[in-house]
Amino acid sequence: QKEVEQNSGPLSVPEGAIASLNCTYSDRVSQSFFWYRQYSGKSPELIMSIYSNGDKEDGRFTAQLNKASQYVSLLIRDSQPSDSATYLCAVLRVGNEKLTFGTGTRLTIIP
Amino acid sequence: GAVVSQHPSRVICKSGTSVKIECRSLDFQATTMFWYRQFPKQSLMLMATSNEGSKATYEQGVEKDKFLINHASLTLSTLTVTSAHPEDSSFYICSARDRVGGRSNQPQHFGDGTRLSIL
Repeated sequence: QKEVEQNSGPLSVPEGAIASLNCTYSDRVSQSFFWYRQYSGKSPELIMSIYSNGDKEDGRFTAQLNKASQYVSLLIRDSQPSDSATYLCAVLRVGNEKLTFGTGTRLTIIP
Repeated sequence: GAVVSQHPSRVICKSGTSVKIECRSLDFQATTMFWYRQFPKQSLMLMATSNEGSKATYEQGVEKDKFLINHASLTLSTLTVTSAHPEDSSFYICSARDRVGGRSNQPQHFGDGTRLSIL
């Protein structure tokens, strides 16, 4: 089992709809969770961070964390073509400096 | 805030050349920086963790004599690819984390990456 798992996609969503990206992790001592967006040929850009159970909203983005189910998700409301990118889920364990990344989900917003 | 600058953005050079890549945290101090490599259509692969004032910690399978890392100050880490060969061609990305208030759970912020092409 991979430490951080994401559906590689591609995930296609019509413009204006909600895009839902999912991530599961295997290590229960994970404490911090991050979503990064990576456009083709570019480096990752931090979108959201979440540390406690529940929802965290920032503009059109909502991160959801459920530590009991070891599940973290990212919702993108009112999807725009500019949201088309690969979204990376990253997990930080207690006492560990290193992030563990999922393989990423490629999202395409269809105009 | 939390800006990481990486230079150069692109390098094209002949086989056997050594290439130095710089990673700077512009508005924060980073005791730890990270170096990643990414091949086309693949995920990020951590190469090494760079610690200010001490030796870098390399991931399994990464040659420390091939990829020299120096973290001489709280805002600068360098990666030198020594005697580069075509198989070293890749996208190299650094990241840094701001240890605000000593907290260790802050996110990593990435530089823009360096695309290295060895002919």
